[in-house]
Amino acid sequence: SYVLTQPPSLSVAPGKTARITCGGNNIGSKSVYWYQQKPGQAPVLVVYGISGRPSGIPERFSGSKSYNTATLTISRVEAGDEADYYCQVWDGEVVFGGGTKLTVL
Amino acid sequence: QVQLVQSGPEVKKPGASVKVSCKTSGYTFTGHYMHWVRQAPGQGLEWMGWINPYSGGTKYAQKFQGRVSMTRDTSISTAYMELSGLTSDDMAVYYCGRDEGSTSWGVDVWGQGTKVTVSS
Repeated sequence: SYVLTQPPSLSVAPGKTARITCGGNNIGSKSVYWYQQKPGQAPVLVVYGISGRPSGIPERFSGSKSYNTATLTISRVEAGDEADYYCQVWDGEVVFGGGTKLTVL
Repeated sequence: QVQLVQSGPEVKKPGASVKVSCKTSGYTFTGHYMHWVRQAPGQGLEWMGWINPYSGGTKYAQKFQGRVSMTRDTSISTAYMELSGLTSDDMAVYYCGRDEGSTSWGVDVWGQGTKVTVSS
């Protein structure tokens, strides 16, 4: 089965840039979705496709990908960005990464 | 606005079944597939399957084949997920989520979640 690998945690100072990676075999050929989940809340879609953002999601959130890695970039990180982030693709089934806990220092 | 409102928390005994509902509003129910995703305490997201509300067709994750059933009632724009043979490993928050419609199978709107507790 297809596996998506994310770092368990990432710490970033306010105002800096956070880059959360998602590794998967030939992920560059797939559509990647990124979700933000705050404690006790449902996930929220923040980035989809190449770098699409649903309405209401700040431009600070963007996505990119190469052959084996997709990256969610959060520019000018704010305290309110502290959350778990999950990547997701379709590979015959929906597959989620294990999640990355973003801590804002 | 698009809303997915799920049924309330459930407490079930081992071996029992649970049925969770997801009532939708603000969009054409039959125009978007509906996913079901669960999250065990302190764990990540786990996809269970989807249903096509227009046809009733389903696709289940291999892990849940034979134990899960997803149905819908188009007259009330509501989707259902029933999981049988519950064990303590099924204790989780269960989410419904609307497929975003691009055939890439992502979720653009989520329900609030339904907590399922399994306890004797």
